[in-house]
Amino acid sequence: EPEVTQTPSHQVTQMGQEVILRCVPISNHLYFYWYRQILGQKVEFLVSFYNNEISEKSEIFDDQFSVERPDGSNFTLKIRSTKLEDSAMYFCASSAAGNTIYFGEGSWLTVV
Amino acid sequence: QKEVEQDPGPLSVPEGAIVSLNCTYSNSAFQYFMWYRQYSRKGPELLMYTYSSGNKEDGRFTAQVDKSSKYISLFIRDSQPSDSATYLCAMGASGNTGKLIFGQGTTLQVKP
Repeated sequence: EPEVTQTPSHQVTQMGQEVILRCVPISNHLYFYWYRQILGQKVEFLVSFYNNEISEKSEIFDDQFSVERPDGSNFTLKIRSTKLEDSAMYFCASSAAGNTIYFGEGSWLTVV
Repeated sequence: QKEVEQDPGPLSVPEGAIVSLNCTYSNSAFQYFMWYRQYSRKGPELLMYTYSSGNKEDGRFTAQVDKSSKYISLFIRDSQPSDSATYLCAMGASGNTGKLIFGQGTTLQVKP
């Protein structure tokens, strides 16, 4: 069964450092997303991406965040200067038609 | 009032019981509804997707949507210990941006 794959599964970084989280969406999907889940809290929407541009972004997705689809298979989330409050599980997701959304296993980011 | 409300539980049932999980929402713009299962420190796994009011069945799972009452349910028949997980409701408005609003999640334990 096709799946969304994410790397790394866990990353520890120092505050102020740049982090790039990588994702390979399901191959025939056209819509890509990042969500995050702070420990013990709800899953929160960050950004959606379609046709090489951001479709929608949340208030969380400020200038410190960026997304990119550098080639035909990868989708990345960059955090330019990490803060302690960025510690969370980051989920990449994709969908074929925008509604039925499949999630990856997540990248656990710890900022120290 | 929160956009999506879900009782966090925990809910503990004996093996074989019928489980009922519920969410309420306040935003009339929500048009599509999903149920995800999430094991600890893993990504949400899509269980059910529904677009209209009424029932949708898939194996032991039945999703029910009542848009007039802004209330959705997931029923699990013949529950198994392997069903023990956190169940997340999620919903989105029309427009296909893929922005889902999640409930807090209900933790379910099925005891052998």
